[in-house]
Amino acid sequence: DAKTTQPNSMESNEEEPVHLPCNHSTISGTDYIHWYRQLPSQGPEYVIHGLTSNVNNRMASLAIAEDRKSSTLILHRATLRDAAVYYCILSIGNMLTFGGGTRLMVKP
Amino acid sequence: KAGVTQTPRYLIKTRGQQVTLSCSPISGHRSVSWYQQTPGQGLQFLFEYFSETQRNKGNFPGRFSGRQFSNSRSEMNVSTLELGDSALYLCASSLQLGLAGEQYFGPGTRLTVT
Repeated sequence: DAKTTQPNSMESNEEEPVHLPCNHSTISGTDYIHWYRQLPSQGPEYVIHGLTSNVNNRMASLAIAEDRKSSTLILHRATLRDAAVYYCILSIGNMLTFGGGTRLMVKP
Repeated sequence: KAGVTQTPRYLIKTRGQQVTLSCSPISGHRSVSWYQQTPGQGLQFLFEYFSETQRNKGNFPGRFSGRQFSNSRSEMNVSTLELGDSALYLCASSLQLGLAGEQYFGPGTRLTVT
């Protein structure tokens, strides 16, 4: 299975942009890049996904490197409610393989 | 639209017993996947059901099984419980099989095996 590498934790100030990196050097051509986040005591929540092109939605933006070996999740203005564990996942279909994720801490 | 619901939310069982967990997907969603979350192993994929058939399976022993009904509701069964089965069991639903996209997770069932 293709694996992802993320920093264990990151810190951000409220209302500032946050860039969460993810390395996936063994990605295959058919792997989609997904981001989910998990708030305390909740199930994971879908954030965004993409294949080759950069993607934007109401929650975040996903920037994918040209060689697809890395990607970055961008939260444009972090809020306290964005404090969570963010998972970068490669998948084919619905079978998600979660790694350790990045714990994002947001300071007021 | 109602979200994914899981019952029960909390469960305490004794080693050697068996347990059945239930998951109701979002209306119209036909794919249901199950995950186990533990502090040591993180989130691990158990299996996925679509149209009452198991389509994908993770690396778990045969004690873990599941099924899906014609209304897409799914159950997961664990037989001969072990202490290591204590975990948060999450189910997720999505519209179709084999398409990358949003999966919607339920709040989970917290199973404690004593």
